[in-house]
Amino acid sequence: GAVVSQHPSWVICKSGTSVKIECRSLDFQATTMFWYRQFPKQSLMLMATSNEGSKATYEQGVEKDKFLINHASLTLSTLTVTSAHPEDSSFYICSARGVGRGRGWNTEAFFGQGTRLTVV
Amino acid sequence: RKEVEQDPGPFNVPEGATVAFNCTYSNSASQSFFWYRQDCRKEPKLLMSVYSSGNEDGRFTAQLNRASQYISLLIRDSKLSDSATYLCVVLYNQGGKLIFGQGTELSVKP
Repeated sequence: GAVVSQHPSWVICKSGTSVKIECRSLDFQATTMFWYRQFPKQSLMLMATSNEGSKATYEQGVEKDKFLINHASLTLSTLTVTSAHPEDSSFYICSARGVGRGRGWNTEAFFGQGTRLTVV
Repeated sequence: RKEVEQDPGPFNVPEGATVAFNCTYSNSASQSFFWYRQDCRKEPKLLMSVYSSGNEDGRFTAQLNRASQYISLLIRDSKLSDSATYLCVVLYNQGGKLIFGQGTELSVKP
């Protein structure tokens, strides 16, 4: 399957600082990327959808000024958690769907390895 | 009501058992359906897509009932390596979003 690389895989930061998470599609063009958050023993909750070159669409209840998403190229999307607090500690996962090799809307979404964020 | 709801877990079964997971979804505009598997502290991985006609992949059988908005996954002859959380996932036509159920944890014991 296609490869999506997410970096870093884990990060510990101090309260009040900002953290940037990168998501790269390595062998296809990711026209759409999705960012999810997962708390322990819970499912993945969609935070936002980003299309290359346009503003991200945020799900209800997700603060767009706190979770900055940039999708400037077809292979890279970034999520920046600004002024992080302990309650932002979670597992953040990106997912990408795109074009190339015959892919379309209703085909598999490929996931990054996830980033475990701990805010102390 | 959650958009995608699954059986509460965990399911603890012996090796060789047959186990069934159920899932319901609320948005009738949903386009496609999947079962994903997630191991502890890892990203979800696609297990299989779900088609209206039903589909089978080895020990795994998935069924979809659009009229009832119901999806199922059957695992036969459970293996220890099947222990994981199984996620029911729905793809919406609008924006191509994947919506995840809360997951059902399966633990297969010797």
